[in-house]
Amino acid sequence: DAKTTQPTSMDCAEGRAANLPCNHSTISGNEYVYWYRQIHSQGPQYIIHGLKNNETNEMASLIITEDRKSSTLILPHATLRDTAVYYCIVRVETDNRLAFGKGNQVVVIP
Amino acid sequence: ETGVTQSPTHLIKTRGQQVTLRCSSQSGHNTVSWYQQALGQGPQFIFQYYREEENGRGNFPPRFSGLQFPNYSSELNVNALELDDSALYLCASSLGPGRDSNQPQHFGDGTRLSIL
Repeated sequence: DAKTTQPTSMDCAEGRAANLPCNHSTISGNEYVYWYRQIHSQGPQYIIHGLKNNETNEMASLIITEDRKSSTLILPHATLRDTAVYYCIVRVETDNRLAFGKGNQVVVIP
Repeated sequence: ETGVTQSPTHLIKTRGQQVTLRCSSQSGHNTVSWYQQALGQGPQFIFQYYREEENGRGNFPPRFSGLQFPNYSSELNVNALELDDSALYLCASSLGPGRDSNQPQHFGDGTRLSIL
């Protein structure tokens, strides 16, 4: 079962940074935080993952709090193509499954 | 780099029939995972294959079975189809288990299965 809590939905303004929150208060020391997104009729797309440190790649930044009980995915300049369901997932390194919840429906508004 | 490909993209079957779905993993990946996604829900883990052996299974009945081939491609077989099996079936490939097991799974765009 999913061990994260996300908003059901949120709107973001085009061209502005989009900050997507995720709570994972029961996270263990060896669990990674993964972010995926799914655009309608496509498979989930990997965005970023991290353990303790903040991470950045060409798509987004992942900010993990010091106590690791929550994280924020930052899309630096949201575009209309970023409209999707975003999933925050915690996974033990040795576990082989991704436990998806219902995700956060993010709509980028012009 | 070739991504994960799945076939067919759409399929219609009737109750009681059997179906085989296929997945080619991303170049360099040796592990394949299958997920079922019902309408409006997140994907649910079915099972994973590594080195041609099942390496973990979710809460799915035995009529869901799979294979992995030496080239790391995989099949998902579902027998005695039920109406509730209507869903998007997703395949994901990755490296691992082992020291690369924290590396992400990469998904195909799925097979949409409809049961009449």
